[in-house]
Amino acid sequence: SQQGEEDPQALSIQEGENATMNCSYKTSINNLQWYRQNSGRGLVHLILIRSNEREKHSGRLRVTLDTSKKSSSLLITASRAADTASYFCATDDWAGGTSYGKLTFGQGTILTVHP
Amino acid sequence: EPEVTQTPSHQVTQMGQEVILRCVPISNHLYFYWYRQILGQKVEFLVSFYNNEISEKSEIFDDQFSVERPDGSNFTLKIRSTKLEDSAMYFCASSELNTIYFGEGSWLTVV
Repeated sequence: SQQGEEDPQALSIQEGENATMNCSYKTSINNLQWYRQNSGRGLVHLILIRSNEREKHSGRLRVTLDTSKKSSSLLITASRAADTASYFCATDDWAGGTSYGKLTFGQGTILTVHP
Repeated sequence: EPEVTQTPSHQVTQMGQEVILRCVPISNHLYFYWYRQILGQKVEFLVSFYNNEISEKSEIFDDQFSVERPDGSNFTLKIRSTKLEDSAMYFCASSELNTIYFGEGSWLTVV
């Protein structure tokens, strides 16, 4: 798979259920970020997890990172219809102390939450 | 909450015309970026900009593209002679350090 590939490509659940999306990447990273995109809209930053972190929480979001497997997961608990969107992971190519901010995005997971 | 703002939100242009997309990054941010997303495809990095110069650019960012920070607040992307394949959503982004914040995007349609 390519850098920053998510699976599943599409996920359909009922309101109240949990949604888990996975992301795999190929190269070493400094951090991994998750973004949400509503149809035709901008990218909303959800959470950043550093390579030395294993888990991070933000509200109903839980992100894990396994650098040995080069994978990350995003869990949305107690989903709502308003969570319907595309979700992307993005890995960085930060090089040492020099910041370039070149993110590599995956294809994304389309999440549909039915009321 | 501070946000990255972009104008125009939509632009339709004739092939061969010049287009300037404008962005106002978050005020205390020092790093600025342009990304694009062709319909149905991945978000792709175009260019990063720091300290009034390009830090890195992708192979997409050829001589047809240029970026400028003409004053203390604006950051622009210019496409000199647009092609049909330049049709995409263009995102401006900025960061203070690691977390990168994106604008709502500018839809560019080249006809």
